[in-house]
Parts: sequence; C-alpha cells; structure tokens
Amino acid sequence: DQQVKQNSPSLSVQEGRISILNCDYTNSMFDYFLWYKKYPAEGPTFLISISSIKDKNEDGRFTVFLNKSAKHLSLHIVPSQPGDSAVYFCAASFDYNTDKLIFGTGTRLQVFP
Amino acid sequence: DTEVTQTPKHLVMGMTNKKSLKCEQHMGHRAMYWYKQKAKKPPELMFVYSYEKLSINESVPSRFSPECPNSSLLNLHLHALQPEDSALYLCASSQGRGASNTEAFFGQGTRLTVV
Repeated sequence: DQQVKQNSPSLSVQEGRISILNCDYTNSMFDYFLWYKKYPAEGPTFLISISSIKDKNEDGRFTVFLNKSAKHLSLHIVPSQPGDSAVYFCAASFDYNTDKLIFGTGTRLQVFP
Repeated sequence: DTEVTQTPKHLVMGMTNKKSLKCEQHMGHRAMYWYKQKAKKPPELMFVYSYEKLSINESVPSRFSPECPNSSLLNLHLHALQPEDSALYLCASSQGRGASNTEAFFGQGTRLTVV
C-alpha cells in the first residue's frame, strides 16, 4: 500500500522553463512533507520541506505547494537548469514520529538545453 | 562537516558470508537510519537509532543486524543473505524532531550484490 505516490515517473523540461513535480498522498494524518533530489550513485539530498499547517514554502528557485483538501503537493523549480536533472522523491512523516519518512516512488527530471 | 560516509561503496557477498556495512557522521546528529532501496523503487526504512538506542525496526529479517557503537557510528551486520537482498543500502542521520529538523542527510550508499 503506497501511501505517497508520484504518478509521473519522468518529466522532460527545457532549460529556463518551470518544472512542476507532483506528489499525492493517501494519509490525511501526515504532518510534514519533504522533497529530496537524488543523482545516480549518490544518496538523496534534502531540498525543501513544508509543514501541514502551511500551504506554501519557498527557497530560492524551489517552491513547494500543499493542498491538503486534495492531498496533493507539488514542487516548482524555476528557472530549471541542466544541473537539476535528477530523480526527485517526495516524502512524508508524522508529528509523533518524524523519524519515519515515507517516500514516494520518484520522478526522473531531465532538463535539456 | 556535513557528510554521512558509508563504506564500502560496493560489496559482493555469497549467501553464506558474514559482512558489515559501516556508516559515520560527525554532525552531532541524534538519529541515524538504515534504508534499503531496490531499483526504480523508493527508499524503504529499515532501522532507526535515536540517541544510540534502537527506536524503530520495520520488521526487518534477523539476517540484518544493526549496531550503534556510539553516536557517530552505525553498522549493519549481514549474515546468510538471499539474492533478493541485493539493493542499495543507504545510511542517513538527522538532528532533531519537528518540522525544522526533519531533514535527513544521506550517505552515498553501499551497492550490495548477493550471489
């Protein structure tokens, strides 16, 4: 039972344009959501997080939007750069157990010149 | 130092072998984790140590045995593994609890092949 889902396994975007990566979840009790980026042969790297009490968090080129009623979050990258090409995982956790991260299936982003 | 270091990077072992994966962090983080990632799948949590005590075991088979000798080190002892245990094993650490500290720092992983 996949509680966190990323329905698009891959996404291709031109450099300079916006990349939008989507994530859906089934458990309305999740309190925190995080995005990680993973390059081949490396471990995931934390990008940005959002608490369930917020609907937006921004950090430089990265913005995460949370729609609790739709159980949906998205990561916007603008402008996209070739170095952003990687696999992106969304993850969720509970306030009572933030040590347990539940990861989505990942979306491979390719940014081409 | 914001690194989590895992050794070895690659490991090939037979089903009767005993081996250990090692993980080290010097960020003073209170929690350390082992994850397993199969190809084209998300990382799956195996174990969590919090303040050097095992706090989460996600029903992992006993052929995987974690150990936390001190606050900077985390080992995963492997014995009598099966070919289906071949995967990328990721170690991670994090500082605290709550929204501002939920981010985990991951190592590069150990690519394990069981033959």
